[in-house]
Amino acid sequence: DTGVSQNPRHKITKRGQNVTFRCDPISEHNRLYWYRQTLGQGPEFLTYFQNEAQLEKSRLLSDRFSAERPKGSFSTLEIQRTEQGDSAMYLCASSLNGDEQYFGPGTRLTVT
Amino acid sequence: AQSVTQPDIHITVSEGASLELRCNYSYGATPYLFWYVQSPGQGLQLLLKYFSGDTLVQGIKGFEAEFKRSQSSFNLRKPSVHWSDAAEYFCAVGYTGRRALTFGSGTRLQVQP
Repeated sequence: DTGVSQNPRHKITKRGQNVTFRCDPISEHNRLYWYRQTLGQGPEFLTYFQNEAQLEKSRLLSDRFSAERPKGSFSTLEIQRTEQGDSAMYLCASSLNGDEQYFGPGTRLTVT
Repeated sequence: AQSVTQPDIHITVSEGASLELRCNYSYGATPYLFWYVQSPGQGLQLLLKYFSGDTLVQGIKGFEAEFKRSQSSFNLRKPSVHWSDAAEYFCAVGYTGRRALTFGSGTRLQVQP
């Protein structure tokens, strides 16, 4: 078990560009979560999957954000037409049913 | 809406001293409670959790926390701090029926030699 992995670890993009992040959860975990963390703050929930079904989305998840988990394994988070306010650390976590969530190292996005 | 408060933004302790980090939550139902630690450039590592049962829970790295329902608190403690404990600590709350965690804003711990 190598834990939750995220790629890329860092992404710098220009305002208006699209970006996509990938998360690979712990292999037997059926639940996958995305959070966003800005400097000096705790993580804030974005969305949650159980297997391939997206079951909850935060109001933070504007229509420029879309997440998928097509086969119930890895997940992608896409941000379209990035804005400077999207600059943050994007964290992925996974869990087995309702147990504790294990976090990946995050993807740091900088929008210039 | 549920919320988590970590009133101390920054704490400095001497190595070998005891530590207590405060966490208060607001919600009517019995919460699930967690403490995570985050080192610079790293993801969040789970220190300990409370789901039910004994209100004093033991975690990794010598940490413990106590759930006090009457005070809506879940404070983290360690009897003797090591320099490697310097990091940011987050308290988080979850509830039955809601899968997302609500995090506090964190407490940054500095350890003086």
